[in-house]
Amino acid sequence: EVQLVESGGGLIRPGGSLRLSCAASGFTVSSNYVTWVRQAPGKGLEWVSVIYSGGSTYYADSVKGRFTISRDNSKNTLFLQMSSLRADDTAVYYCARGAAGLDPWGQGTLVTVSS
Amino acid sequence: QSVLTQPPSVSAAPGQKVTISCSGSSSNIGNNYVSWYQQLPGTAPKLLIYDNNRRPSGIPDRFSGSKSGTSATLGITGLQTGDEADYYCGTWDSSLSAGVFGGGTKLTVL
Repeated sequence: EVQLVESGGGLIRPGGSLRLSCAASGFTVSSNYVTWVRQAPGKGLEWVSVIYSGGSTYYADSVKGRFTISRDNSKNTLFLQMSSLRADDTAVYYCARGAAGLDPWGQGTLVTVSS
Repeated sequence: QSVLTQPPSVSAAPGQKVTISCSGSSSNIGNNYVSWYQQLPGTAPKLLIYDNNRRPSGIPDRFSGSKSGTSATLGITGLQTGDEADYYCGTWDSSLSAGVFGGGTKLTVL
């Protein structure tokens, strides 16, 4: 069964850093595109970043220069390193397999940026 | 302000049909595949339609997708109360070099 499990969320102060993890099973992250999507409380989906199987990465303008997507092939895990966090980064962060046609999605991990 | 435009809400009676529109531009919908997602309350989104009109295994044929020019449409027939959810369209934007979503449409089955 293909599955994604996010972890690493929590309460962080503005300006702080946090690293999210997305553990994959049932498929190989290095051979697939994997995407991060976030959803602020009560709001819609916002695309964040994608890493291609070849290693190319792309970011939303809202996080460019602050967030870094990466993967550890040996652990079959995807990461999202977030720095210079702001209140408007508060959201549930989902990882999903694919770049278009995201499937499946993880259950999400909540990141709250607040003082 | 989302790059893709969806109506905030739609409603219809059980058993009826509803369509949800998604409007974009040549840099996104016009030249890339569209996907649709269903998000039931309190859950993660689920893929309903990919590559404009293809259904993943397990998605009933009550759900359909189409695309024309810079717009896409999700159709749902035989509405059930369990279809009440938020629906999102998504695609790639070649000008932004980023993925984009619509603002979401809340479906109410009256």
